[in-house]
Parts: sequence; structure tokens; C-alpha cells
Amino acid sequence: ETAVFQTPNYHVTQVGNEVSFNCKQTLGHDTMYWYKQDSKKLLKIMFSYNNKQLIVNETVPRRFSPQSSDKAHLNLRIKSVEPEDSAVYLCASSFNWGGYAEQFFGPGTRLTVL
Amino acid sequence: GDSVTQTEGLVTLTEGLPVMLNCTYQTAYSTFLFWYVQHLNEAPKLLLKSSTDNKRTEHQGFHATLHKSSSSFHLQKSSAQLSDSALYYCALSDPQGGRALIFGTGTTVSVSP
Repeated sequence: ETAVFQTPNYHVTQVGNEVSFNCKQTLGHDTMYWYKQDSKKLLKIMFSYNNKQLIVNETVPRRFSPQSSDKAHLNLRIKSVEPEDSAVYLCASSFNWGGYAEQFFGPGTRLTVL
Repeated sequence: GDSVTQTEGLVTLTEGLPVMLNCTYQTAYSTFLFWYVQHLNEAPKLLLKSSTDNKRTEHQGFHATLHKSSSSFHLQKSSAQLSDSALYYCALSDPQGGRALIFGTGTTVSVSP
């Protein structure tokens, strides 16, 4: 049963456009994450966020930014997409910022940049 | 920095044979290791986790033991099933990154009849 929801499932756009992806979790977790899964299936953290702190992976380009309205939502905005941004973006959530907790993943948003 | 190494990119085997996927890690901090499984067109899901040295952890027929002396957390199953065909990731929890996961490169397991 899905508890981490992502929209849209797919998005095709052109270089230079702005895109925004949504993520919502209904698990009551206090921490959310965005990961990027590239065409080689490499899975890499982009952002970690709870209501107190945002941690940005140093390799993430500045055109990417997370946006949160409350602890159940963490959206991802890409200001001006590049071809290398084509990937699957996975949202995840967990309970307990400093703990040893399972992360629950959403189904992902597949971005294709033409 | 912290890292996870999975040496096999693809493992192909026949149903009923044992499976072993290698995972080694490097970390300067406390050690929380995970195995996640991702079936085709699905989200990754937790398979196993451990933070206790030399203790076997089991779930859904799979097992793994964290060995801090060798920095390893290999995944095993005694008899593969067709439904085990999937992408398996070993991951390390990053205490400096809000407990984000540092993933290995993944191992694709393909089980045939």
C-alpha cells in the first residue's frame, strides 16, 4: 500500500524549462528526502529535510531546490533543466531524524529532458 | 567520505540455487547498514537492516550478518526464486547527512527457471 505519493509519474520537457515535482507522505514521518536515480540505476541523495534543518548534498547543482509547506510535503523544483537532469527522482520519508529508521520510497517521477 | 561497494553488477542464476551478493563499506562514523530491493518499475523497499556486529538478520528468506572487522554486510539466500529477480542495493546511513542513505551501485539479480 502506497504511503509516499509522487506526482507526476512522468514529465517530458525541453532544456531551459522550469519543472516542479510533488511529494506527499501519509506516514506521519518527520524527515523527507529526495534521491536521484540515473540511467545506470545509480541512486544518490540530493536533499534531506525535517522541519528544523535542510541538508543539501554538495554535488547538487543550484538549479535544484526543495520546497516544503509542512512536514508531510516536500516538493522538488528545477529552475532550468539540463539534459543531464534526465533521471528518476525518488522521494522518501522516515521517522526520527537522528535514528536508525526504515525509509519509505515513493514510486518516482521520471524526467526526460529533450 | 563514506562509501558502499557492491562488486557484482549482474548476477544470473537458476531457480533453486543459492544467492550471495557482496557488500563492503567504508565509514568513519557509527554503522547502520541496509539492503533495499527494487523490482521492475517499483519503488525501492527495505529488505534487511542491521547495526549489531556479528548478528545474523533475516527477512523473507534472505539473511545478512554485519561484520565490522571486515566492513562487510553480504546478502544471502539459500534457494533463489523467480520472484527474487530485482535490483538490490546495499546502503549505509549517513549520520552527517540527516540519516540519508549512501547507496552502492546496485546488483541486478536475474533468476531463470
